[in-house]
Amino acid sequence: NAGVTQTPKFRILKIGQSMTLQCAQDMNHNYMYWYRQDPGMGLKLIYYSVGAGITDKGEVPNGYNVSRSTTEDFPLRLELAAPSQTSVYFCATQSLAAGNTIYFGEGSWLTVV
Amino acid sequence: AQSVTQLDSHVSVSEGTPVLLRCNYSSSYSPSLFWYVQHPNKGLQLLLKYTSAATLVKGINGFEAEFKKSETSFHLTKPSAHMSDAAEYFCVVKGGKLIFGQGTELSVKP
Repeated sequence: NAGVTQTPKFRILKIGQSMTLQCAQDMNHNYMYWYRQDPGMGLKLIYYSVGAGITDKGEVPNGYNVSRSTTEDFPLRLELAAPSQTSVYFCATQSLAAGNTIYFGEGSWLTVV
Repeated sequence: AQSVTQLDSHVSVSEGTPVLLRCNYSSSYSPSLFWYVQHPNKGLQLLLKYTSAATLVKGINGFEAEFKKSETSFHLTKPSAHMSDAAEYFCVVKGGKLIFGQGTELSVKP
């Protein structure tokens, strides 16, 4: 049981490049979330999904896109990377049946130069 | 709409003294509430959660929190601080979305 797996763990991007952060879970959880955490700050919700085929914007969606074609995967896409997107990204999942426990990935450190 | 406000960005206590980290929330739904801790350069660890059962919730490492609906609060307490408690603490509310507070940095002086 791998839980929540985020890849890559570290990445350096040049301004204007695009990339996808992967998030996969094997717990059959309905809810999945993407957060960013800037140095010394809290977590800001980028996008979330309540199930396959359903996504919605969070607090800071600009510059990002997501898709949820399967229950297991919730990739986060950066189309035109900007220095302001330098951050640590966390994926999280949650199942109502599990007493609302939230499971986090280990984080992806992204630097845009 | 939902929101969560952690009333103190930084709290400093002496080792062995009580800890109080304050959290107020708003939610259109009957919320679930959580406290998470994050040590430097580490991921997030669940301390405790409230999901409409007992209003006084006990968590790991001696922490507890009380859900007070009339005050829309979910403050985190610990009777006696330890040096290893120094970290960033996040209050989290779930109604529809899962929203984090801005965090409270806890410092523990010897």
